Amino acid sequence: NAGVTQTPKFRVLKTGQSMTLLCAQDMNHEYMYWYRQDPGMGLRLIHYSVGEGTTAKGEVPDGYNVSRLKKQNFLLGLESAAPSQTSVYFCASSPHRMNTEAFFGQGTRLTVV
Amino acid sequence: GQSLEQPSEVTAVEGAIVQINCTYQTSGFYGLSWYQQHDGGAPTFLSYNALDGLEETGRFSSFLSRSDSYGYLLLQELQMKDSASYFCAVRDDYGGSQGNLIFGKGTKLSVKP
Repeated sequence: NAGVTQTPKFRVLKTGQSMTLLCAQDMNHEYMYWYRQDPGMGLRLIHYSVGEGTTAKGEVPDGYNVSRLKKQNFLLGLESAAPSQTSVYFCASSPHRMNTEAFFGQGTRLTVV
Repeated sequence: GQSLEQPSEVTAVEGAIVQINCTYQTSGFYGLSWYQQHDGGAPTFLSYNALDGLEETGRFSSFLSRSDSYGYLLLQELQMKDSASYFCAVRDDYGGSQGNLIFGKGTKLSVKP
């Protein structure tokens, strides 16, 4: 029972490089989320999706793009990484609007130098 | 928009009871959730209140008052393993932000022997 899987777990990028973080869930959940976590800032919502083919902006969307081409996958892209994007990124999924229990992946620690 | 307020730190001794408060502002409300996160780990779901009142799950209880936009998490018979960060979260179910899940900044609980 894999649940929510994030790849990669660690990554170091140079300023200006691009990368894609992959989130995969095997629970057939409708809702998926991308958060970043910085010390003292809690979990801040970047983008989210309420179903295959749909995405919406969260609290801090600038500098990120997302895609949900398949229900089980939610991709987070950084087109031109900046040091301010150094953070721990968490993906989460939840079944549907009636259920706010979210299941989290183990996180991706990203450092931009 | 949405906002959640919770204390940044709480300290208690083993065996004691501690209450972590959360006040929220949101356009549309679809329940208050609580999550636990140990250092270096991913958040895990603890409880959810959609209606006013107290929900009990073992040593943990959660309370909601929708009229006061307020809730709390009550931890009884504290154990050292309860040392962690605790987050409250709300789902907004209104208009363009339908389906998002917003977290507070977290309360770091330290349990002392």
